[in-house]
Amino acid sequence: DAKTTQPNSMESNEEEPVHLPCNHSTISGTDYIHWYRQLPSQGPEYVIHGLTSNVNNRMASLAIAEDRKSSTLILHRATLRDAAVYYCILFVGNQFYFGTGTSLTVIP
Amino acid sequence: SQTIHQWPATLVQPVGSPLSLECTVEGTSNPNLYWYRQAAGRGLQLLFYSVGIGQISSEVPQNLSASRPQDRQFILSSKKLLLSDSGFYLCAWTRDRVSPLHFGNGTRLTVT
Repeated sequence: DAKTTQPNSMESNEEEPVHLPCNHSTISGTDYIHWYRQLPSQGPEYVIHGLTSNVNNRMASLAIAEDRKSSTLILHRATLRDAAVYYCILFVGNQFYFGTGTSLTVIP
Repeated sequence: SQTIHQWPATLVQPVGSPLSLECTVEGTSNPNLYWYRQAAGRGLQLLFYSVGIGQISSEVPQNLSASRPQDRQFILSSKKLLLSDSGFYLCAWTRDRVSPLHFGNGTRLTVT
C-alpha cells in the first residue's frame, strides 16, 4: 500500500538542475515528507525532509505544495555522483513508508 | 556521534536453516528501530519496527521474527529459511518523527 507515487525513471544532463516529483495525496497534517537516495548495494542515504515549508540544505532543496499533496526534490546542479534511486517517503505513526522510487540517470 | 552496525554483510544459507541478523546502534538512547527487506530491483519493504525494549510491530506476516532484547539491539530471526527470504536486509534507526532515518550497510542474504 504505497503512500507515495513517483515516476519510475528520469534523466538529466550533468550540471543542470533536476526536479524530482512526488505525489502523496493521502498525507495528513502531521506526516513528514522525507527524501532518501540509494546507490547499488548500499543502504539509503538521507537527503532532506520537511513538514510544510520549503527546506534547503547542502545537498538539495525540498519544495512542498501548499496543499501538501505533492512535493519536489530539487538538485540544483546534477553531478554523476547524483545518479541513484530517489525515494519520497512519508513518516506515518512510527513508520516510514517507502515507494518504488525514481531512478535518476545523469548524462555526462 | 551516532553509528549503526549491521552484520554480517553477506550470508549464504540453505533452505530450512535458521537465520539471525543483528543490528546495534551507538551514541543514542531509546531509538526507534526498523528492519526492511529489499528484493532485487525493488523498493524497500518494512518488516518490523520497535519503539522500545520488547516492543515489536510486524508489518508483513511471514516466517521471520524480530526481537529487541536491549535498548539499542535489534535482531531479525527465522527458524527455517525459504527461498523467497533472499534479499537485501537493512536495519535503520531514528530518534523521533522529526529526525532523519539512518540506515546500516545491509546484509545480502542468499537462500540456496
